[in-house]
Amino acid sequence: GAGVSQSPSNKVTEKGKDVELRCDPISGHTALYWYRQRLGQGLEFLIYFQGNSAPDKSGLPSDRFSAERTGESVSTLTIQRTQQEDSAVYLCASSLQVWGGYGYTFGSGTRLTVV
Amino acid sequence: AQSVAQPEDQVNVAEGNPLTVKCTYSVSGNPYLFWYVQYPNRGLQFLLKYITGDNLVKGSYGFEAEFNKSQTSFHLKKPSALVSDSALYFCAVRGRYFNKFYFGSGTKLNVKP
Repeated sequence: GAGVSQSPSNKVTEKGKDVELRCDPISGHTALYWYRQRLGQGLEFLIYFQGNSAPDKSGLPSDRFSAERTGESVSTLTIQRTQQEDSAVYLCASSLQVWGGYGYTFGSGTRLTVV
Repeated sequence: AQSVAQPEDQVNVAEGNPLTVKCTYSVSGNPYLFWYVQYPNRGLQFLLKYITGDNLVKGSYGFEAEFNKSQTSFHLKKPSALVSDSALYFCAVRGRYFNKFYFGSGTKLNVKP
């Protein structure tokens, strides 16, 4: 596709349930990133994928969070046993080069609300 | 430590007036600096970047930014604001490791007719 696609755009879930968020990067973009944006706050780095290399998971806030990506394709971010503090917009981005010299292209995000 | 600061939560400006959105950074080595804009219910959009070269960088929608190494700043500017410029603006710096960018907390720009 022409841009980074994320689904669903909105998700409301009950506390304690698991959720899965999906990101389709731009074709040919080797790097893929997940960020979290809480209300009124800046972007918080979660995880980074680069091709088939081991991902940088240093930003994941707890072991309830995990993400997968196969090659240079779709990525899924999974949150297990959701908590209310997980409510945020989850943004996915991809870039053409690993150092992001061209900046990122961001998806529109998934707004997660945990009730 | 790498970090970005946007000291103003909100900037108000009248249409037609010049606007400035401030950003300061802290990074090891030479910085790679970026500005992004986020319109309501939309994803972040790239505006401009500074990698090297001329300190004044021109970007999309008539925006420009000036890199000031001595003041470690990268303020976003536009000579004449439009109501349609109203959005959330994020400054970002690439940190020591290629894979991470550090974002500011964002500045909401309100342009009034």
